Amino acid sequence: QVQLVQSGAEVKKPGASVKVSCKTSGYTFSTYGISWVRQAPGQGLEWMGWISTKGTTTYAQKLQGRVTMATDTSTSTVYMELRSLRSDDTAVYFCARGVGTYYDFWGQGTLVTVSS
Amino acid sequence: EIVLTQSPGTLSLSPGERVTLSCRASQNFGGTSLAWYQQKPGQAPRLLIYLASSRATGIPDRFSGGGSGTDFTLTISRLEPEDFAVYYCQQYGRSPGTFGQGTKLEIK
Repeated sequence: QVQLVQSGAEVKKPGASVKVSCKTSGYTFSTYGISWVRQAPGQGLEWMGWISTKGTTTYAQKLQGRVTMATDTSTSTVYMELRSLRSDDTAVYFCARGVGTYYDFWGQGTLVTVSS
Repeated sequence: EIVLTQSPGTLSLSPGERVTLSCRASQNFGGTSLAWYQQKPGQAPRLLIYLASSRATGIPDRFSGGGSGTDFTLTISRLEPEDFAVYYCQQYGRSPGTFGQGTKLEIK
């Protein structure tokens, strides 16, 4: 069965970086890109960007310059790194299968807390 | 960027009732490239509907989607206790894909 399993919760100080992993299984990794969506506490869903099967990335304009997405095809894992963290980056970060389409499978979410 | 407005923000209903949620787009994004998700506290969103009216695998037939252009609906024909959650619409017809702000269904 299709699974996306994310890395564990993180606590970071303002200005630091965080890297969240999303390990996929149960399907052919090269046939689906991965998107990232975040959700601040008590808020809605915010699209962050995606990485296609060819490694092409597209990022939300508000995160340009601070976010990088990458893949490790040897382990079917996708990574999302967010730099220069601020308090308003505190959120649950989700990976989801799909690029430019609906998201049929989601990771369980990773809570990133930014606090001094 | 396409803005999706969901209404109402919160609905208080009883099990067994029928409900229709609305999702309106700020402009046409191309046909029926719209999805609906259900999210319960502490969980990831779950895909319910894609292409505006196609049910995802395993989704009960009490859930149905409709609409096109800029106006879309999600109808739950008879609410079950497990249906009380937050529902989001998402358009993926024009990049970047965007989500509505959500409608919360709560038990009356």
